[in-house]
Amino acid sequence: KAGVTQTPRYLIKTRGQQVTLSCSPISGHRSVSWYQQTPGQGLQFLFEYFSETQRNKGNFPGRFSGRQFSNSRSEMNVSTLELGDSALYLCASSLDQGHTIYFGEGSWLTVV
Amino acid sequence: AQKITQTQPGMFVQEKEAVTLDCTYDTSDPSYGLFWYKQPSSGEMIFLIYQGSYDQQNATEGRYSLNFQKARKSANLVISASQLGDSAMYFCAMRGDNNAGNMLTFGGGTRLMVKP
Repeated sequence: KAGVTQTPRYLIKTRGQQVTLSCSPISGHRSVSWYQQTPGQGLQFLFEYFSETQRNKGNFPGRFSGRQFSNSRSEMNVSTLELGDSALYLCASSLDQGHTIYFGEGSWLTVV
Repeated sequence: AQKITQTQPGMFVQEKEAVTLDCTYDTSDPSYGLFWYKQPSSGEMIFLIYQGSYDQQNATEGRYSLNFQKARKSANLVISASQLGDSAMYFCAMRGDNNAGNMLTFGGGTRLMVKP
C-alpha cells in the first residue's frame, strides 16, 4: 500500500516568486491536511481538505492557499514568497476521524 | 483552544533501556484523540500510536505504549528496549473530535538520543 507522496522533495525559490507543492494521499483517504514546520514556530496547521472542500484553516495569511481534486490529491500554493516561508511543508492523509493520520516525507522549501 | 506541552526538549537513554516521553494537554472538547509521531532527521513524520479519550485501555503498538491519565491530562509515550534507531524527534499531538476534522495541534517535541 503506497504511502503519502509529496513532490517536490526539495526546492529553492527566490523572494517574490510563488510555489506549488503537491500531495497524493493514501488510496481511499479523502482528508488531506497541510502543516508548516519551522525551527522557531514548530509545527503549525495550514488547512485541511475533505472531499474537495476546505474544512479547516489555520492562522496563515492569504498568500497560502490550497485545493483538493476529485481524486483526493491536493496542492498548496504560496504566492509572493518571503524569507520566513522557508520551512518543511508536511502533508497528512487520513480517513475521516481516523485513528491513524499518516504523513508524507515533506517538501523542504528554501526561499533566498 | 487546544494546547500540547512537552516539557523535555532533549533526553538521553541507554540502549536497551526503557524511556518515557512526557506529554500534557489541555482541551475543552469532551472527546479527543492523542497521537505520537517520530521524526527522524530526514523529516518524515512517522505515526507511532493513537489513544482515544474514551478508550478504556492504554494503547500499545509493539515497543510503544501510551500511559494515558485522563484526570491528569497526560499522555506519556513509553518506549521499551530502546534501540539506536529510536534516536529522533518525538511529537505529541491532539485532535479534538468536535467538528475539528483531522486538524492536529502539536507539542514542541522531545529530541531523544539513544546511547550505545
